[in-house]
Amino acid sequence: DQQVKQNSPSLSVQEGRISILNCDYTNSMFDYFLWYKKYPAEGPTFLISISSIKDKNEDGRFTVFLNKSAKHLSLHIVPSQPGDSAVYFCAASAPSGTYKYIFGTGTRLKVLA
Amino acid sequence: GAGVSQSPSNKVTEKGKDVELRCDPISGHTALYWYRQSLGQGLEFLIYFQGNSAPDKSGLPSDRFSAERTGGSVSTLTIQRTQQEDSAVYLCASSLAQTTEAFFGQGTRLTVV
Repeated sequence: DQQVKQNSPSLSVQEGRISILNCDYTNSMFDYFLWYKKYPAEGPTFLISISSIKDKNEDGRFTVFLNKSAKHLSLHIVPSQPGDSAVYFCAASAPSGTYKYIFGTGTRLKVLA
Repeated sequence: GAGVSQSPSNKVTEKGKDVELRCDPISGHTALYWYRQSLGQGLEFLIYFQGNSAPDKSGLPSDRFSAERTGGSVSTLTIQRTQQEDSAVYLCASSLAQTTEAFFGQGTRLTVV
């Protein structure tokens, strides 16, 4: 049962344009969401997070949007840069029980120069 | 060190042998996580330690897998009688508390031949 889903395995975007990565979740108890970026042969690196009390969080070129009614979050990168090319994972956690992070399967973003 | 440290970085073992993977979390981080990433797959949750609470072992795929965390710091993931399907990158992460982002190590690439 995949509680966190990233339905697009890959995405290609032209440099300077907007990249939009999507993530859907099924557990309505999730209240904290994160995005991680992963380069080959490296561990995932934290990018940005959002609490369920917000619907938007912005950090420089990165903005995460949360739509609780749709159980959907998205990561916007604008403008996209070639160095953004990586695999992006969304993750979610819930306050009940333990606080483990459940990750999606990732979306490989390729920014074309 | 400043980050999460995992050792070894690479491990090749024969099928049926036992292996131990080590994780040194960031000093002061009370939460510690183990995940694995098989080829082309997402991050699969394995086990979660939080302070002195009983660990959440719900992600361990079989009883050949076990983990411990000594003194609330270093953790060891043990895989007994390794199988080829155990081949993956094993990632350790730690976080300051339950509600903050987790920081990942570089991972241990395990290959069972």
